[in-house]
Amino acid sequence: AQKVTQAQTEISVVEKEDVTLDCVYETRDTTYYLFWYKQPPSGELVFLIRRNSFDEQNEISGRYSWNFQKSTSSFNFTITASQVVDSAVYFCALDNDYKLSFGAGTTVTVRA
Amino acid sequence: GAVVSQHPSWVICKSGTSVKIECRSLDFQATTMFWYRQFPKQSLMLMATSNEGSKATYEQGVEKDKFLINHASLTLSTLTVTSAHPEDSSFYICSASRALGLASLEQYFGPGTRLTVT
Repeated sequence: AQKVTQAQTEISVVEKEDVTLDCVYETRDTTYYLFWYKQPPSGELVFLIRRNSFDEQNEISGRYSWNFQKSTSSFNFTITASQVVDSAVYFCALDNDYKLSFGAGTTVTVRA
Repeated sequence: GAVVSQHPSWVICKSGTSVKIECRSLDFQATTMFWYRQFPKQSLMLMATSNEGSKATYEQGVEKDKFLINHASLTLSTLTVTSAHPEDSSFYICSASRALGLASLEQYFGPGTRLTVT
């Protein structure tokens, strides 16, 4: 069985602070994909990143960065210098066997 | 590219009536489409997987006779909530996919449909 755990339910920060969202996953498969999605108040899911299980390189995209640690089954996401527009629910997801399993989500609130 | 639309974006219906939600892939052919349901402040839960021209595969606990899925073409899937009740009120999200590679499909999500049953 697959499982994705996002232990942080809500995080509140002041603008310009950094925020790290934790994601821990469980799978018995050696080939799988990990994702992060952003869901703003409008409800539409916004794709942020996809990483396959064979690529452990960390990735940076603007103010976003991801840390994939296969040894600890974690795929953490950091927003640097947060902005009010970053306020949203962020989901981590695991895909193998052609199905996505989502974590419970972390609500990020960035205060001006 | 890879745009997925849903119609309607929101709908209010009376208890006991049926509601149809459409999911379209606008600029690509989707081999597989997925339907998710999201209750307020909860995560997305996969309801069913549908492949064009074949019957949908429902997740455990999802009533296939209540949530009818039709995937008649490579660009259109429909979800019909039959005899809707207030507990069916939710945000329904579809995704359309094409093969990404080993063990994964690249899923493109629609904007969602908010269903309220009164």
